[in-house]
Amino acid sequence: AQSVTQPDIHITVSEGASLELRCNYSYGATPYLFWYVQSPGQGLQLLLKYFSGDTLVQGIKGFEAEFKRSQSSFNLRKPSVHWSDAAEYFCAVGARDNQGGKLIFGQGTELSVKP
Amino acid sequence: EAGVAQSPRYKIIEKRQSVAFWCNPISGHATLYWYQQILGQGPKLLIQFQNNGVVDDSQLPKDRFSAERLKGVDSTLKIQPAKLEDSAVYLCASSPGTSGGVGDEQFFGPGTRLTVL
Repeated sequence: AQSVTQPDIHITVSEGASLELRCNYSYGATPYLFWYVQSPGQGLQLLLKYFSGDTLVQGIKGFEAEFKRSQSSFNLRKPSVHWSDAAEYFCAVGARDNQGGKLIFGQGTELSVKP
Repeated sequence: EAGVAQSPRYKIIEKRQSVAFWCNPISGHATLYWYQQILGQGPKLLIQFQNNGVVDDSQLPKDRFSAERLKGVDSTLKIQPAKLEDSAVYLCASSPGTSGGVGDEQFFGPGTRLTVL
């Protein structure tokens, strides 16, 4: 069965520091991979997605993620965090077979940014 | 382009009462999803529609939850009767659905926060 693990429930970084949020997945083949961000009281917004090809994916707001098949990971990175990046981040996997686009989400990582 | 609309934004009910949520997806999107997000967890799919047909409702508690998508546009999700453990945010999402939703970006509404007392 598909599953997603985000090992860090809460991370605090200083503004301007680099960020890496971890995501590990379990899936029989290469899934579609997504990172979403959720600000308080808001819906989820897509940051980036991996379908195939280049394993380093660029997204919005200066985020990037790297797909590592050998480690079943899809970690999210940002070189310099801004205070407005404080939010909850969700990694998700989607099946490539005929399962209608269903996404399996991790439990999320809450990011706090110190001034 | 208007996003996914949901109402109400907040709802407080007592257990055993019924409640309904409404979702209006992005115009032209064929696929519509309802997710349940319990505090501290990621969203969990309850039901997926392709146009007005159900694609996946394997995790919908059918003894108390029901959903419909009339005319393949708006959708309603109903809970009757509600239990304490139904307290959560209910998110609606839509996607173009050109491949039945597979690989699509899903666009999420702001959600409805339900509190069951």
